[in-house]
Amino acid sequence: DADVTQTPRNRITKTGKRIMLECSQTKGHDRMYWYRQDPGLGLRLIYYSFDVKDINKGEISDGYSVSRQAQAKFSLSLESAIPNQTALYFCATSDQGQGGGETQYFGPGTRLLVL
Amino acid sequence: GDSVTQMEGPVTLSEEAFLTINCTYTATGYPSLFWYVQYPGEGLQLLLKATKADDKGSNKGFEATYRKETTSFHLEKGSVQVSDSAVYFCALSDLYSGAGSYQLTFGKGTKLSVIP
Repeated sequence: DADVTQTPRNRITKTGKRIMLECSQTKGHDRMYWYRQDPGLGLRLIYYSFDVKDINKGEISDGYSVSRQAQAKFSLSLESAIPNQTALYFCATSDQGQGGGETQYFGPGTRLLVL
Repeated sequence: GDSVTQMEGPVTLSEEAFLTINCTYTATGYPSLFWYVQYPGEGLQLLLKATKADDKGSNKGFEATYRKETTSFHLEKGSVQVSDSAVYFCALSDLYSGAGSYQLTFGKGTKLSVIP
């Protein structure tokens, strides 16, 4: 079984709709992240969480919100989807590091299309 | 702020050819450097990493050396295979930047296609 899973894998929605993307991990990591990937732009950080009570905005958090329901679960919501949120979304986890160099482990991604 | 610049693709090579993907960085502190690989339809996975100057990361025949003097971390492989076709991302985390070591800064990715 995969260590980091994302649901759904693909989603088509309409402008103005609220949607939620879910992420679960079995690695026992405290840190979880949401990224979006756009062609030619690499990955950009949306939100990150160090534990259930610690949630922080990333580089591009506008239009998104998150919920850390448990150590293993981290959900991303689009409150009112717009077409420029069409992208590939990745969840990732990492262990708490001591001095940098921590590896992040990525889920398979959710491809979102907003019409 | 921190940034990563990698060569633009796509790169198309014949099987058994030599591969180099250039990556340079700017960082305020002392970054750790990574190469992640994304195979078609999958998420990113760590290929190799180096945490201090002159370290060499290696995995699956790929290598990259952390060169502080040239702020570079170029990815190399001596003989590529069709199965190496993927998108490769250079990234850094900077412990001493305001963002801390958890923040990964990615390059834009380089798509590699290897033909038989």
